[in-house]
Amino acid sequence: EVQLVESGGGVVQPGGSLRLSCSASGFTFSNYAIHWVRQAPGKGLEYVSAISFNGDSTFYIDSVKGRFTISRDNSKNTLYLQMTSLRVEDTALYYCVKDWGNGVSTYYFDFWGQGIPVTVSS
Amino acid sequence: EIILTQSPATLSLSPGERATLSCRASQSVSTFLAWYQQKPGQAPRLLMYDASKRATGIPARFSGSGSGTDFTLTISSLEHEDFAVYYCQQRSKWPPGITFGQGTRLEIK
Repeated sequence: EVQLVESGGGVVQPGGSLRLSCSASGFTFSNYAIHWVRQAPGKGLEYVSAISFNGDSTFYIDSVKGRFTISRDNSKNTLYLQMTSLRVEDTALYYCVKDWGNGVSTYYFDFWGQGIPVTVSS
Repeated sequence: EIILTQSPATLSLSPGERATLSCRASQSVSTFLAWYQQKPGQAPRLLMYDASKRATGIPARFSGSGSGTDFTLTISSLEHEDFAVYYCQQRSKWPPGITFGQGTRLEIK
C-alpha cells in the first residue's frame, strides 16, 4: 500500500523557516517524481514544487522561488521542502504527492499524503 | 500562466441524476488535463487523466471528455459518495506550469 506521511509543519512567525519531510513507502520511491501541493484554509489547491525521480530536476512556482528548496534522499525514501522567509500567504495544508509516471514526470498525481499544516502568523 | 475556470461553482443534484462539470482553459492544453475529487477532511483523489482516461479503481460512471480549452467531467448516475468538490488540473510545457481550477462543489439537492 502506497503511503506518504508528512511531518515538520507548525506555527512560525513571518520571516521564519520550516522544513517539511515526507516519508514514503509501498512503492519504489526512486522511480517517481514527487510534488508538493498546498491548500489554504477553505480554499482550492495550489501547486508548489516538484522534484524528478533522481533529483536532477526541480520546479517551483514563482511565488516560492528563492525561498523554498525541494530535495530528496532516495536512500531514505524521503522528500523534503525547506521553507525560508515564510509569509502569511504561505499558510496552508501542505500535501506530499506522488507522480503517476514511472521514471518520467507526468505531473498527474495519483497518491496524496494526508497533509501537514503550516501556519505563518505573528 | 494558464488559468482554468470551472463551472458551475456549485451544482445541486439528487442521487441518480447525471452531473456535468465544466473546465475551461485560458489557452490550449491539448489533452493534458486531470480531474480530482476531494471530500471534506480528505486528500484529493485522482479520477481522470489525459482528459478521458479513468485512473485505477475509478468507477465507470465517471467519464471525461474534451481537448484544447474545453473539458467536461460527467458522472452518469450520482451515488451518495460522489457528493464532493471536484478540481480540474492542467500541465503545460509552455508556459511551463501546473494549475488547478477553483473547484466545483457537487452537493445533494
